[in-house]
Amino acid sequence: GAGVSQSPSNKVTEKGKDVELRCDPISGHTALYWYRQRLGQGLEFLIYFQGNSAPDKSGLPSDRFSAERTGESVSTLTIQRTQQEDSAVYLCASSPPRRGLEETQYFGPGTRLLVL
Amino acid sequence: GIQVEQSPPDLILQEGANSTLRCNFSDSVNNLQWFHQNPWGQLINLFYIPSGTKQNGRLSATTVATERYSLLYISSSQTSDSGVYYCAVVRYNQGGKLIFGQGTELSVKP
Repeated sequence: GAGVSQSPSNKVTEKGKDVELRCDPISGHTALYWYRQRLGQGLEFLIYFQGNSAPDKSGLPSDRFSAERTGESVSTLTIQRTQQEDSAVYLCASSPPRRGLEETQYFGPGTRLLVL
Repeated sequence: GIQVEQSPPDLILQEGANSTLRCNFSDSVNNLQWFHQNPWGQLINLFYIPSGTKQNGRLSATTVATERYSLLYISSSQTSDSGVYYCAVVRYNQGGKLIFGQGTELSVKP
């Protein structure tokens, strides 16, 4: 079946502009995660959605970052007033419900964001 | 929070050689995954292995949960194995997020 998809693949923006990144999880996956990977760095957690529960926003680096999810489908990560340090690859992952199944997280191809 | 340490940080192999990558974690975990990040940045699932041993072709992994480590074995390495290998863990009491190690960068030379 289809994997996690993300759009756009690449985004170049000017400092101070807002950007929206989109993630389509695997159908039936109730959990959705956003991570960030700066150049040459490891992955850092941003935000986690699980079903209808309140999202875990503990990884968002500032109030310029926000994310929404519609039910158990698409999620949008918004970065307002972008700064050069926001340049990174933004990765989305999804995993199946936690009901005795392997909770493997499957990653999308990422959106490469460059803030000039 | 939990710490995840991977070793070695870098590894250069000749094609055909075998290798072992290690992941140590500082507390008990509920989930553990190994990933391969290819040169194009795609994260590829290798194993979901909170405990025990699994094998998939030339790759195998073992997690000894009681001793808080996991090993990834690569046998008969190929140039396509090059990239960064990440270990990542989940603790339910810290939410469902994956906590990643810093990775092992593997380069396989022909």
